[in-house]
Amino acid sequence: QLQLRESGPGLVKPSETLSLTCSVSGASISTPDCYWGWIRQPPGKGLEWIASIYYSGSTYYNPSLQSRVTVSQDTSRNQFSLELRSVTAADTAVYYCARLVFTSLYFYYYMDVWGKGTTVTVSS
Amino acid sequence: IQLTQSPSSLSASVGDRVTITCRASQGISSYLAWYQQKPGKAPNLLIYAASILESGVPSRFSGSGSGTEFTLTISSLQPEDFATYYCQQLNTYPLTFGPGTKVDIK
Repeated sequence: QLQLRESGPGLVKPSETLSLTCSVSGASISTPDCYWGWIRQPPGKGLEWIASIYYSGSTYYNPSLQSRVTVSQDTSRNQFSLELRSVTAADTAVYYCARLVFTSLYFYYYMDVWGKGTTVTVSS
Repeated sequence: IQLTQSPSSLSASVGDRVTITCRASQGISSYLAWYQQKPGKAPNLLIYAASILESGVPSRFSGSGSGTEFTLTISSLQPEDFATYYCQQLNTYPLTFGPGTKVDIK
């Protein structure tokens, strides 16, 4: 059974870098059948897609965060990671990782498996 | 691509038929998914490709639409359905979500 688990510091100081890892079990991140993504949700607010990565290493970023974000993968550990630089209080959120799959016909995409999320607070 | 949802919230009773609308700022064919989120939990996929029910999701949930207007319908609301519902477009990067519709108990 596929499971995703986010890990990383729960508290980050303003101007520093937020680093999170998503550990995947039950499937290989090296498969061409899906992408892997990061989504966040500020307290009491809606969902925001941050970035996605494909097994080939291709990355896709939200333009609103692109200048501060890097997503990478470690296939040997079956993990992918998020780095968000120069954080402010506005980056306080629950961060989720998720699998982004697509159908073989018409390539309809959807996020079918999510991690439980990890809360990150930006504060001094 | 911006998504709007209506209503932003609604109150309904068990057994009610509930319809939530999601509108896209430009055509997205059928590249739309619906998620349910309960407090403190991750979103849960309900519908993809606008109308395909995810495996394991009760058949009282259904989706329809294409282009710019989509609907999520719950045919007979159950106690476990009180939650917030989000649409998401996956036609174009950046992927975007609607602002959500909160369904609570009347």
